[in-house]
Amino acid sequence: SQQGEEDPQALSIQEGENATMNCSYKTSINNLQWYRQNSGRGLVHLILIRSNEREKHSGRLRVTLDTSKKSSSLLITASRAADTASYFCATDLEGNDMRFGAGTRLTVKP
Amino acid sequence: EAQVTQNPRYLITVTGKKLTVTCSQNMNHEYMSWYRQDPGLGLRQIYYSMNVEVTDKGDVPEGYKVSRKEKRNFPLILESPSPNQTSLYFCASSLTGGYTEAFFGQGTRLTVV
Repeated sequence: SQQGEEDPQALSIQEGENATMNCSYKTSINNLQWYRQNSGRGLVHLILIRSNEREKHSGRLRVTLDTSKKSSSLLITASRAADTASYFCATDLEGNDMRFGAGTRLTVKP
Repeated sequence: EAQVTQNPRYLITVTGKKLTVTCSQNMNHEYMSWYRQDPGLGLRQIYYSMNVEVTDKGDVPEGYKVSRKEKRNFPLILESPSPNQTSLYFCASSLTGGYTEAFFGQGTRLTVV
């Protein structure tokens, strides 16, 4: 079964607005990662946050992690049309395996 | 250039005709994994491998086989494909599984008629 669940399933915003996506997971983790997928293409790694970190930044991306609530959020600030993609969270499992959620489809309108 | 290479990119086949989708990585990664992606279902893991000769089932292994005879290669085998295996398939690799960044292939779009 999938470990992570993203929310919302789909998000539509105007260029320049901020986009926030959430990920909830079920079991304890060591790391949580966020990936981006342009339509039908392979996923591309965005950011990794470890369980002892609460917040991490990379350019216009900000990721938070709340292990007590088993949740993470990805914030994209000042969004651009080129940010239109699907975004997935992934968590590590026992035995060093990795599982993905169902993703959030983000549409940024010019 | 660090990459994961899948072949073929597109494949149309008939029910029951055995096929293999190849996956190769040039980063000396220990962990490799296969996923299928269907609309509304995200990425579901088929099989994964922690190292050479070590493979394990993911969430949807039925109808698939894998092997890991060399560190760089992790082929996905469909012994008798069926229409419900029509999907977009991705291979991924990482240095140490969920602890590190995963690199994905470009995907294989398989249609079974």
